[in-house]
Amino acid sequence: IAGITQAPTSQILAAGRRMTLRCTQDMRHNAMYWYRQDLGLGLRLIHYSNTAGTTGKGEVPDGYSVSRANTDDFPLTLASAVPSQTSVYFCASSGVPAGGTDTQYFGPGTRLTVL
Amino acid sequence: GQNIDQPTEMTATEGAIVQINCTYQTSGFNGLFWYQQHAGEAPTFLSYNVLDGLEEKGRFSSFLSRSKGYSYLLLKELQMKDSASYLCAVVDSNYQLIWGAGTKLIIKP
Repeated sequence: IAGITQAPTSQILAAGRRMTLRCTQDMRHNAMYWYRQDLGLGLRLIHYSNTAGTTGKGEVPDGYSVSRANTDDFPLTLASAVPSQTSVYFCASSGVPAGGTDTQYFGPGTRLTVL
Repeated sequence: GQNIDQPTEMTATEGAIVQINCTYQTSGFNGLFWYQQHAGEAPTFLSYNVLDGLEEKGRFSSFLSRSKGYSYLLLKELQMKDSASYLCAVVDSNYQLIWGAGTKLIIKP
């Protein structure tokens, strides 16, 4: 069982380019999340999805979009990358929707550098 | 606003005991998580507290006082592999997780 996988592991991107970070889970979890983690700051929620077909905005959604076409996949897209989006991005999932307190399980992360 | 406070960094000696504190001010409270994160890796679940008191799980224990907005993670018999960041996160009234910046724990031989 892989749990949660993310791709790519790392990426260097020119400002203005479009980029999609991929996230796939095989635990049949209903809820999925995208966070960014920056030095000295806590994990910040970008977008979430309580179940396939629904998405919601987190604390820092600007410049990012998501989709949830099925249970397993939750891609995060940067339409036009900017240097302030340089960060480590973590995808996570949990067994119950965001209206519960189930443990979140994290993918290995994607280290993104925007130049 | 919502706020989670943890020390930025702590140092301890192998074999010793260390207590990592977390204080919080959030809109509502529906539980508190502790996660461990080794450098360059993903956070992994350690504990969850929703009622006051101490929860013990092997070498790790977590304590919660809701009236004081306070929790701590206690690590006993420290091992070098315990060198990591420890993240405190509170579930607020909207069931959103509010994360602290984490405490980097350095273990010295």
